[in-house]
Amino acid sequence: RKEVEQDPGPFNVPEGATVAFNCTYSNSASQSFFWYRQDCRKEPKLLMSVYSSGNEDGRFTAQLNRASQYISLLIRDSKLSDSATYLCVVNPHTGTASKLTFGTGTRLQVTL
Amino acid sequence: DTGVSQDPRHKITKRGQNVTFRCDPISEHNRLYWYRQTLGQGPEFLTYFQNEAQLEKSRLLSDRFSAERPKGSFSTLEIQRTEQGDSAMYLCASSPQGSDYGYTFGSGTRLTVV
Repeated sequence: RKEVEQDPGPFNVPEGATVAFNCTYSNSASQSFFWYRQDCRKEPKLLMSVYSSGNEDGRFTAQLNRASQYISLLIRDSKLSDSATYLCVVNPHTGTASKLTFGTGTRLQVTL
Repeated sequence: DTGVSQDPRHKITKRGQNVTFRCDPISEHNRLYWYRQTLGQGPEFLTYFQNEAQLEKSRLLSDRFSAERPKGSFSTLEIQRTEQGDSAMYLCASSPQGSDYGYTFGSGTRLTVV
C-alpha cells in the first residue's frame, strides 16, 4: 500500500463549481499534513497546512480525519486559475518538516 | 532573492556522463532536501541535510548518486554514469529546523538523459 494515496483525476469542473479531493495515508503516527499545489512543469508550492480542527483559507477548506486516516481539500467557487495538480503531503515527524511524503497528485481542470 | 535557487534549470546529457546540480537554500533555513519527480508522480524523497550533516538517504539514491552540503549552505547533487532512467525533475527544498510549515521548493533542474 502506498504511504499516501490520491485519485489522480483529472477532475474537470466548470468555473464556479465546488470540488473536493480526498487523500488517505497509511502511517497512523503521521503528525502533520499539507496540501501543495503544482502547476504544469513548475515546482510544488505550499497551499495550506491541515489541522485536526480543520482550517479555511478563502475558498479553500482542508480537513483531517485521523480515525479514518484521510485528508480532504474543498475548493469553492472554482476559478480557471485553480487548474493545477494538488498534492497531498504527510509528515510523520512531530514538530519538524523532515522527509515529507507526497501523493501522486490530483489534477484539476476548471473550464469555462 | 530570498527563494530557493537551483542551477541549471535544464540539463541534457548523454548516457554515461556525469552531471552535477546545485541548490542554494533560503539563507536562514538549515534543513535542505533533494527530491526527484517523474511525469505523473509526486516528488520522491532522495536525501536531506541538517546544516552540513546528511541525516537520511533514500534507497532510491543508488551508489551513482552523491549529495554534499560542505559548509551547511549550498548543496550539490551529482549523478555519475547517468542512465536514461535518471531523466526526471530534481527538486531542492529547504526549511527551518523545527518548522512544521512544510518546505519551500526551488524551481528544479530538469534532467534529460539521451
